[in-house]
Amino acid sequence: GAVVSQHPSRVICKSGTSVKIECRSLDFQATTMFWYRQFPKKSLMLMATSNEGSKATYEQGVEKDKFLINHASLTLSTLTVTSAHPEDSSFYICSAREAGGNNEQFFGPGTRLTVL
Amino acid sequence: DAKTTQPTSMDCAEGRAANLPCNHSTISGNEYVYWYRQIHSQGPQYIIHGLKNNETNEMASLIITEDRKSSTLILPHATLRDTAVYYCIVRVAGNTGKLIFGQGTTLQVKP
Repeated sequence: GAVVSQHPSRVICKSGTSVKIECRSLDFQATTMFWYRQFPKKSLMLMATSNEGSKATYEQGVEKDKFLINHASLTLSTLTVTSAHPEDSSFYICSAREAGGNNEQFFGPGTRLTVL
Repeated sequence: DAKTTQPTSMDCAEGRAANLPCNHSTISGNEYVYWYRQIHSQGPQYIIHGLKNNETNEMASLIITEDRKSSTLILPHATLRDTAVYYCIVRVAGNTGKLIFGQGTTLQVKP
């Protein structure tokens, strides 16, 4: 199956700093990528849909100025958590949908963010 | 997208078949049924999907009722590595469909 990677796998940062998380489709091109967050013992919550070359579409209640998404190429999307606070600590997971494929979504391994 | 209802948790003996039910009574004609699973602290893994016919692959079988209001995921010979949270999701076909996760079923495979 198609492979999606995330970097870093885990990050610890101080409150007030910004953190960038990368999501890459390794063996396919993805016109659409999705960002989710997951709190402990909870389900995945869709944050935003990222389309290559255009602005991301954010789900209701997700602050677009807080969670900056850039999808500059068909294989890379980035999520930047700006001015991170402890309540932003979470498991962030991306997924990618193959361009021209069967619309399958493949998920990355996730990034564990801890804000001190 | 239609909502789904799954049992919160299930147990299964190792080597036996695991049958995970899902209700999606408000599913629309153009919505597929997808199953993903998530092993602890990992990203979700695609298992199988279908529209109205039963489907089988190397991982599992998907049985969809004739009225499409419910489905069952079958893991024919569960192993300890199948312990995970299993998510049943209905999604519109095509580029606009989003995967919206419910609470899923926590499957515990026991020796």
